Amino acid sequence: AQSVSQHNHHVILSEAASLELGCNYSYGGTVNLFWYVQYPGQHLQLLLKYFSGDPLVKGIKGFEAEFIKSKFSFNLRKPSVQWSDTAEYFCAFRSDSSASKIIFGSGTRLSIRP
Amino acid sequence: GAGVSQSPSNKVTEKGKDVELRCDPISGHTALYWYRQSLGQGLEFLIYFQGNSAPDKSGLPSDRFSAERTGGSVSTLTIQRTQQEDSAVYLCASSLGGAGGRGEQYFGPGTRLTVT
Repeated sequence: AQSVSQHNHHVILSEAASLELGCNYSYGGTVNLFWYVQYPGQHLQLLLKYFSGDPLVKGIKGFEAEFIKSKFSFNLRKPSVQWSDTAEYFCAFRSDSSASKIIFGSGTRLSIRP
Repeated sequence: GAGVSQSPSNKVTEKGKDVELRCDPISGHTALYWYRQSLGQGLEFLIYFQGNSAPDKSGLPSDRFSAERTGGSVSTLTIQRTQQEDSAVYLCASSLGGAGGRGEQYFGPGTRLTVT
């Protein structure tokens, strides 16, 4: 079955630390990949997306993600986190076999110590 | 506003009662999704509407759950004979949809359902 794994359930970092959140998907075909963020008390919003082309995707607020097809991964990175990055982060993908459905991971809660 | 709206924002109901949750998608978006987000869990896909096509109901957890989309716009998710395990945040999202759509979903603020 198609699925997304986010291995880190809760990550705690200090401000200015570097961030990498893992995301692996299970599907052998063409995929569209997404990272969504949910700040405390706010609704989900798109952070970045990959459809084709350059596998290194840059999103809002200094985030980036790299699609590595051979590893079925789409890890999220940020070189220096801020307290305002405290949020829940969801990885998601859509496969070419099911254009209608976007499958989400279980999320990673990121806590930043000021 | 131009975003996805959902109502009510909070709903407390007694076990066994029926509830209706409403979603107003972004104007022009042909695809509409319902998800459920339980405490500490990710987003669980429930149902998907695309234009006039038959909906993808593969995520509905039981026959107590149903949804409709009238006129290709507003959608209502109905839960009959609610159970305590139905307590969750129900999220609606819309997108341009279709095979040629960009797939980016815009989420509403959700409805927090509490079954007592």
